[in-house]
Amino acid sequence: DAGVTQSPTHLIKTRGQHVTLRCSPISGHKSVSWYQQVLGQGPQFIFQYYEKEERGRGNFPDRFSARQFPNYSSELNVNALLLGDSALYLCASSLARVQGQRNQPQHFGDGTRLSIL
Amino acid sequence: SQQGEEDPQALSIQEGENATMNCSYKTSINNLQWYRQNSGRGLVHLILIRSNEREKHSGRLRVTLDTSKKSSSLLITASRAADTASYFCATGALTSGGYNKLIFGAGTRLAVHP
Repeated sequence: DAGVTQSPTHLIKTRGQHVTLRCSPISGHKSVSWYQQVLGQGPQFIFQYYEKEERGRGNFPDRFSARQFPNYSSELNVNALLLGDSALYLCASSLARVQGQRNQPQHFGDGTRLSIL
Repeated sequence: SQQGEEDPQALSIQEGENATMNCSYKTSINNLQWYRQNSGRGLVHLILIRSNEREKHSGRLRVTLDTSKKSSSLLITASRAADTASYFCATGALTSGGYNKLIFGAGTRLAVHP
């Protein structure tokens, strides 16, 4: 079975531009989460989606938005890019749904490396 | 903000030696997970230990959890050059909507030399 796939793998943008990153979860996984990993640090939670609705949001500005589609794929959008948005953006999918299923691992894609010039 | 802190930040050993990495966290948890990340790649789930478990094994991996000390350790026995990677601990937490998110530490960079 295919794992979590993300596109594009690399992206170079300039300050002020916007970007859309895409993620396809593992077949059967309805939960998708997005994380930002700045070089040398651990990933930080951005969003969690389940059944096309936002179920959680990390401490990120409103420039960051996301959505999930009926096929459970997801997009992360970032507007008005700043130099500090340069990072590896990771998507993860999981079977986890509600509190009773919280002990589920998350399966990560290889990420999109976003560089802001 | 990061929940946990790994110790050491970097570890360099020879093949065949054991590698031990430690993780401390701040708040109560439902579970603690360890992930590996090869350079420039995504994270690979290694092992999940629930808050009511004290030790768990998976192949050459052994994870312990001490909730009274809010700490966990990952032991890799008989290390191999292919184990070279960054290792992260992550605590499972609930979002405001009652769903799952992970809070990661800064990771331990392990280098295993042939």
